[in-house]
Amino acid sequence: GESVGLHLPTLSVQEGDNSIINCAYSNSASDYFIWYKQESGKGPQFIIDIRSNMDKRQGQRVTVLLNKTVKHLSLQIAATQPGDSAVYFCAEILNDYKLSFGAGTTVTVRA
Amino acid sequence: DAGVTQSPTHLIKTRGQQVTLRCSPKSGHDTVSWYQQALGQGPQFIFQYYEEEERQRGNFPDRFSGHQFPNYSSELNVNALLLGDSALYLCASSLTGYEKLFFGSGTQLSVL
Repeated sequence: GESVGLHLPTLSVQEGDNSIINCAYSNSASDYFIWYKQESGKGPQFIIDIRSNMDKRQGQRVTVLLNKTVKHLSLQIAATQPGDSAVYFCAEILNDYKLSFGAGTTVTVRA
Repeated sequence: DAGVTQSPTHLIKTRGQQVTLRCSPKSGHDTVSWYQQALGQGPQFIFQYYEEEERQRGNFPDRFSGHQFPNYSSELNVNALLLGDSALYLCASSLTGYEKLFFGSGTQLSVL
C-alpha cells in the first residue's frame, strides 16, 4: 500500500488567503520529499523539494515544512491565486529510484 | 527547450490487445520513469530505465515491459490488456536518478 497520505482530500480557500496542504508519511527512512501540482489534463508539475536534513525550504510563494518527529510534511502557498487550483501531491523516496505518491488534495480557490 | 513529450495523447484498445506508448525525455535527461495514474489516485511507479536497462521496478506484472533507446527515449508496452489497465500513463525524466522528475502530459489509455 501507499506510505504517503494526505490529511484532507479537498481544500477550499479564498483568493488571497494562505493555503496549507498537509501530508503524513510512514517510512522514517525516507530522505527526500517532493510536492507536485497537477492541473486537469496535465502531468504533475514539480513545485518544491526538501531533504530530510532540512526542516524548511522556501520557494516563490511556497514553503515546505518537514517534521520528522511526527513524520509530517506540509506545503504552504502564500496569497493563493485562481491559478493555484489543482490537485497537489506529496511524494517520498522509498529507495533510490522509486517515488511514492499519496492520493492528492484538490485545492479550489474561491474568487 | 522541449519538455517531456509523450505519444499518443489518447488511445482506445480492447481487452487482450497490446499497446505501445512512447516518451521522449527532457533535453539533457538520461533517465526515464513510467507511472500509472488511475482516476482520482496518485501516480504509481511502474519502472525506471537508465543506460538502456530497467533499473527499478514497481509492483506491476510482467505484462508491463519497457525499453530505452540510445537517444534516451523510451517505450512502455502492455500485453494482454485488461479493463483495469485503463489509466493515465505518465512518463517522467530526470538526470541520473529521482530528483526533480519532470513529467509529460501523459497518455490516456482506455480499455474496452
